[in-house]
Amino acid sequence: GESVGLHLPTLSVQEGDNSIINCAYSNSASDYFIWYKQESGKGPQFIIDIRSNMDKRQGQRVTVLLNKTVKHLSLQIAATQPGDSAVYFCAENIMGAQKLVFGQGTRLTINP
Amino acid sequence: DVKVTQSSRYLVKRTGEKVFLECVQDMDHENMFWYRQDPGLGLRLIYFSYDVKMKEKGDIPEGYSVSREKKERFSLILESASTNQTSMYLCATLSRGRRHTDTQYFGPGTRLTVL
Repeated sequence: GESVGLHLPTLSVQEGDNSIINCAYSNSASDYFIWYKQESGKGPQFIIDIRSNMDKRQGQRVTVLLNKTVKHLSLQIAATQPGDSAVYFCAENIMGAQKLVFGQGTRLTINP
Repeated sequence: DVKVTQSSRYLVKRTGEKVFLECVQDMDHENMFWYRQDPGLGLRLIYFSYDVKMKEKGDIPEGYSVSREKKERFSLILESASTNQTSMYLCATLSRGRRHTDTQYFGPGTRLTVL
């Protein structure tokens, strides 16, 4: 299961640079993964998803990579913009379950 | 687009009051969820429902109850609000059984303060 931490991991990048946000998941039976973006004062918004039979999936400026061997998920954001500043969560769906398990989140800050 | 609405964005209540948080979705999704979100603790599942009148406890159900009388509406009830229930409350829905639709869609959240 996920660990509970006192501090939210943070990542600062320069505007225009690429950013990579990482997530470790714990259950090898997880078969579906999602990345969410949460801006200040708003609910989480779906960004991109990936099923366990894939290693990579691309969207608009975002790419999700899945490494099932080490149970690791990453979100790559290309050419970051000020509007990308937010908290990013990964979530895993354990096969057969009807709910998601969420990671702690990473706060991404874009510096001008 | 999926729309999940919550009855209030901000709510201030007094200790001991009964509090109702309402969530409505317009996509005919079977599963609905209530989470609370606190700094450093992430999203914690309070209750969820996979059908009308069906409910299951999440990770932190104590002090809360829920009601799902209609498919589109899922209510979270604080029978006697306490200060440690001050939090951001998020409702979400999930659609089952179709390819690439096992995604939870969230409402905008209700920031509840209990004085």
